[in-house]
Amino acid sequence: AQSVTQPDIHITVSEGASLELRCNYSYGATPYLFWYVQSPGQGLQLLLKYFSGDTLVQGIKGFEAEFKRSQSSFNLRKPSVHWSDAAEYFCAVDSTTSGTYKYIFGTGTRLKVLA
Amino acid sequence: DAGITQSPRHKVTETGTPVTLRCHQTENHRYMYWYRQDPGHGLRLIHYSYGVKDTDKGEVSDGYSVSRSKTEDFLLTLESATSSQTSVYFCATGSAGTDTQYFGPGTRLTVL
Repeated sequence: AQSVTQPDIHITVSEGASLELRCNYSYGATPYLFWYVQSPGQGLQLLLKYFSGDTLVQGIKGFEAEFKRSQSSFNLRKPSVHWSDAAEYFCAVDSTTSGTYKYIFGTGTRLKVLA
Repeated sequence: DAGITQSPRHKVTETGTPVTLRCHQTENHRYMYWYRQDPGHGLRLIHYSYGVKDTDKGEVSDGYSVSRSKTEDFLLTLESATSSQTSVYFCATGSAGTDTQYFGPGTRLTVL
């Protein structure tokens, strides 16, 4: 069965430091992969997505992610974190095999940013 | 944003009572989804719809039913609420071909 693993429940970084959030997936075919961000009390906002092509994808707010098929990973990165990046981040894979666009989400990584 | 609203935004109810949550979208998206979010579980799919009157079960559908009589509205019903259904519920929509889901602001439901 398809699955998504985010091994880090919490991460704390200092403002201005670099960030990498890990995501591993289990999926038989070429996956569609997503990163979403959720600020406290808010819904989820799409940061970026990978469908095919260039394995390094750029998103909003200065985030990027790299798809590595050999490692079944889609890690999210940002070179310099801002205090406003404190939020919870979710990785998701599109598990559809019948065109219904169903996602499987990871359990999330909560990011804390120190001033 | 895909123009998604959820109502109510907060609700407290008692065990055994029926509850209906509403999701309304203005983007004419074909696909609509209901998720629940619980600590340590991320988001889990309850039910989804791929068109008017076309719905199917998700990962955690027991105790929930849905209806979609119009493109813009997707209703989630808890026939007899239980404390285990205390959660934050999110609606999402998606259009064919983009494979991207857009999320509403959520409904916090507490079942006492």
